[in-house]
Amino acid sequence: SQQGEEDPQALSIQEGENATMNCSYKTSINNLQWYRQNSGRGLVHLILIRSNEREKHSGRLRVTLDTSKKSSSLLITASRAADTASYFCATDVKNDMRFGAGTRLTVKP
Amino acid sequence: EAGVAQSPRYKIIEKRQSVAFWCNPISGHATLYWYQQILGQGPKLLIQFQNNGVVDDSQLPKDRFSAERLKGVDSTLKIQPAKLEDSAVYLCASSFKSGGEAFFGQGTRLTVV
Repeated sequence: SQQGEEDPQALSIQEGENATMNCSYKTSINNLQWYRQNSGRGLVHLILIRSNEREKHSGRLRVTLDTSKKSSSLLITASRAADTASYFCATDVKNDMRFGAGTRLTVKP
Repeated sequence: EAGVAQSPRYKIIEKRQSVAFWCNPISGHATLYWYQQILGQGPKLLIQFQNNGVVDDSQLPKDRFSAERLKGVDSTLKIQPAKLEDSAVYLCASSFKSGGEAFFGQGTRLTVV
C-alpha cells in the first residue's frame, strides 16, 4: 500500500514563481525523502529530512516536516522550466521506502 | 561512481510468457529495492533486500513474481506468467543503508500484449 499522498496532483506555474507541494502520510516515520522524476527518466533524490528535524534547505529547495500533522511540504523557489517534472515523497516506516502518487509540476517559460 | 545498472531497457512479451530483469546496484550498497511504476502512478515497492536477505516482500505477487539477490550484489526479478496488467516500468534502486538516500536505475519498460 502507498504511504504518502501528495497534494496537489498537478500544478502549473510561470517561470520565476514559487511552487509548493504537500505530502501527507499515515503512520509514524523514521524519515521522509523527496524525489524528482523527469519525463522518461529515473528518479533522482532531492532531500532527506529526519523525523526529529523540522526544516531543511538545499539550494532552491526548502522542505518542512510536521510529525504532529503527519505532513511535509516541498517549496521550490524561483522555479525554472527545467523544474518541470513529477515530484514524489517517500516515507521510511520500517527502514523501507514507500512512495506517494506524486505531484506533476509544469513550469511555463 | 557508476550508477545503478538495469537491463534490458525495454521488453515486449505476450501474456503468459515469462520475463526476467537484471539489476546491478552501486558497489557497497547493502540495500536493494525493486519497484513497479504504472504510468501516471507512484512507484510501488515490490521487494527490498538487505544484502542477500529479504526485508520486505509484502507487496510482491508471489504467485507470479520472484526475485533473488545472490551473493548480496546483483539481483534479478522474474515474472512468470505475465499478465496484461504487469505492463509497467520496473525500477531498481540501491542505498548504502535501509531508509537512506536511494539511487535509481533507468528502469525496464515492460509491455505485455
